[in-house]
Amino acid sequence: EDKVVQSPLSLVVHEGDTVTLNCSYEVTNFRSLLWYKQEKKAPTFLFMLTSSGIEKKSGRLSSILDKKELFSILNITATQTGDSAVYLCVPSGTYKYIFGTGTRLKVLA
Amino acid sequence: KAGVTQTPRYLIKTRGQQVTLSCSPISGHRSVSWYQQTPGQGLQFLFEYFSETQRNKGNFPGRFSGRQFSNSRSEMNVSTLELGDSALYLCASSLAGSQRGEQYFGPGTRLTVT
Repeated sequence: EDKVVQSPLSLVVHEGDTVTLNCSYEVTNFRSLLWYKQEKKAPTFLFMLTSSGIEKKSGRLSSILDKKELFSILNITATQTGDSAVYLCVPSGTYKYIFGTGTRLKVLA
Repeated sequence: KAGVTQTPRYLIKTRGQQVTLSCSPISGHRSVSWYQQTPGQGLQFLFEYFSETQRNKGNFPGRFSGRQFSNSRSEMNVSTLELGDSALYLCASSLAGSQRGEQYFGPGTRLTVT
């Protein structure tokens, strides 16, 4: 059965800290892995990863995928209060996306 | 470019009634997926449509159905509503579906069943 496990479930840090969010997955016919940020509304797209070992970067956020070990990490450096959100790891298989419960990040000023 | 739109944004229904939700994807996107989000279960996949065909369906009862029109707009229908159907229903569009990349979510329809 397809599954996604994200860790930690929640995290509280102070502004300026660096955080690493983990995602392990098992998906039949894996296609890609997406990261989303969800605040109080619908998820917003962050990254799509399809190849192992290639780091994607966007400002203070970066992510990497290991297709052999079936995991991905999302790094956020120099965190800001605006980074407070739930981060969703979403692997995709044939015609479907599998959502984990997410990691809830709270950044304190 | 306009984003994904969903109507209505809020809805209150009574048990036993039925409801139809609408989703208009980003222009040019041919795939629409539907999700149910509840506090206890997180986001759960309902189904995906591409070019008017349902490509995949999640583990939901037959009371949940959908369709997609030739202009890629999609509707989701829930019949015989139950209290447990109260949730945020999100639709997401993508160029060619889950095999091609990112989805863009609409703001959701919050359904309350009383």
